[in-house]
Amino acid sequence: AQKVTQAQTEISVVEKEDVTLDCVYETRDTTYYLFWYKQPPSGELVFLIRRNSFDEQNEISGRYSWNFQKSTSSFNFTITASQVVDSAVYFCALSEADAGGTSYGKLTFGQGTILTVHP
Amino acid sequence: EPEVTQTPSHQVTQMGQEVILRCVPISNHLYFYWYRQILGQKVEFLVSFYNNEISEKSEIFDDQFSVERPDGSNFTLKIRSTKLEDSAMYFCASNDAGKAYEQYFGPGTRLTVT
Repeated sequence: AQKVTQAQTEISVVEKEDVTLDCVYETRDTTYYLFWYKQPPSGELVFLIRRNSFDEQNEISGRYSWNFQKSTSSFNFTITASQVVDSAVYFCALSEADAGGTSYGKLTFGQGTILTVHP
Repeated sequence: EPEVTQTPSHQVTQMGQEVILRCVPISNHLYFYWYRQILGQKVEFLVSFYNNEISEKSEIFDDQFSVERPDGSNFTLKIRSTKLEDSAMYFCASNDAGKAYEQYFGPGTRLTVT
């Protein structure tokens, strides 16, 4: 069975600080996808990034970066120079896939990390 | 850009009443999902639907829940006899064939059962 753990329930930082949100996953499949979503106070789920299990390259997008380490089953998310607008709940999620890389569709989410950025 | 829409944005209902949550997936998508998020908790998978039948459902999706694609555009979630614990945000999602890794989420319907 698949499982996603986000051990940090809440993180509070001051603007311009860097912050890393941790995500650890469990799966029996060798092929899977990992995701990060942002949920602002308005409630919608905003897609941030998707990685497949074959691609361990780290990714940077502006102030956001992701560190995928299969050896430790982790997919951590770092926000550099945080801003008040980054305040939200952040969810890590996992989708298992078959050997051909076709996702089964069901997303399993972690508990989420509440990030508060103070001015 | 095409998007998934959900109506209503907020529904208040009394315990024991039936409620239908509506979703309009992206037009060429073939796979549909419902997820639930109880306030302050994680998002949980309820059900996936393809080719007019359920492809997978979670333990949460018991006999009081049902899904339907009544026409070519809507995808609905029905809760037959609502309970207080059904109060949650319900998200609909859809994806194109072969792209289950690329689900598009709707904005959610907040259901409040009183």
